[in-house]
Amino acid sequence: EVQVLDSGGSLVQPGGSLRLSCAVSGFTFSSYAMSWVRQAPGKGLEWVSAVSGSGASTYYADSVKGRFTISRDNSKDTLFLQMNGLRAEDTAVYYCAKDRGNTAGFDYWGQGTLVTVSS
Amino acid sequence: AIRMTQSPSSFSASTGDRVTITCRASQDISSSLAWYQQKSGKAPKLLVYAASTLQSGVPSRFSGSGSGTDFTLSISCLQSEDFATYYCQQYYNYPLTFGGGTKVGI
Repeated sequence: EVQVLDSGGSLVQPGGSLRLSCAVSGFTFSSYAMSWVRQAPGKGLEWVSAVSGSGASTYYADSVKGRFTISRDNSKDTLFLQMNGLRAEDTAVYYCAKDRGNTAGFDYWGQGTLVTVSS
Repeated sequence: AIRMTQSPSSFSASTGDRVTITCRASQDISSSLAWYQQKSGKAPKLLVYAASTLQSGVPSRFSGSGSGTDFTLSISCLQSEDFATYYCQQYYNYPLTFGGGTKVGI
């Protein structure tokens, strides 16, 4: 059974940093690209970042480029999102999502972890 | 970035209705489109990928169609559990982008 467990969200001050984690099981982690998708309160879904299965290629939304860094540890089946220079507009539930394969949609999602940026 | 526009943004329907949601891409994305269902407080669920292929376990009352720039998601006979918000998403290129969502209410 595939499991995706994201964690690490909390209340942080503007300009602060936070690291999200996503632990997975039930599939060959290194064979699939992974993404982070966020949802601000009462708003729609926004893709944030993706990383290839090997970790060699990374992609970012313009809204987080230069502030967020995605990475993965294939030996520990874990995905990360390092978030620096946080802003109020980064407040959202962050979901970890598994690529179906060939970047064809996300077939498994974490339960979401809430990041609140406020003083 | 490719812009995805959904319509309508919300509407009301009744159990048993046939409903259709439209998604338009700002440029040709071939069939690189997925549809998701999201219920309040829950993670999204993949319904359709490659514009028209039903994800495993998704009821056959759901169907997707289209290619290029215009796509639709249809529900043939609305059930109570289908009242939710639906999103389209293009994966033709990065940055990946979602439509604004369509809320299907009672």
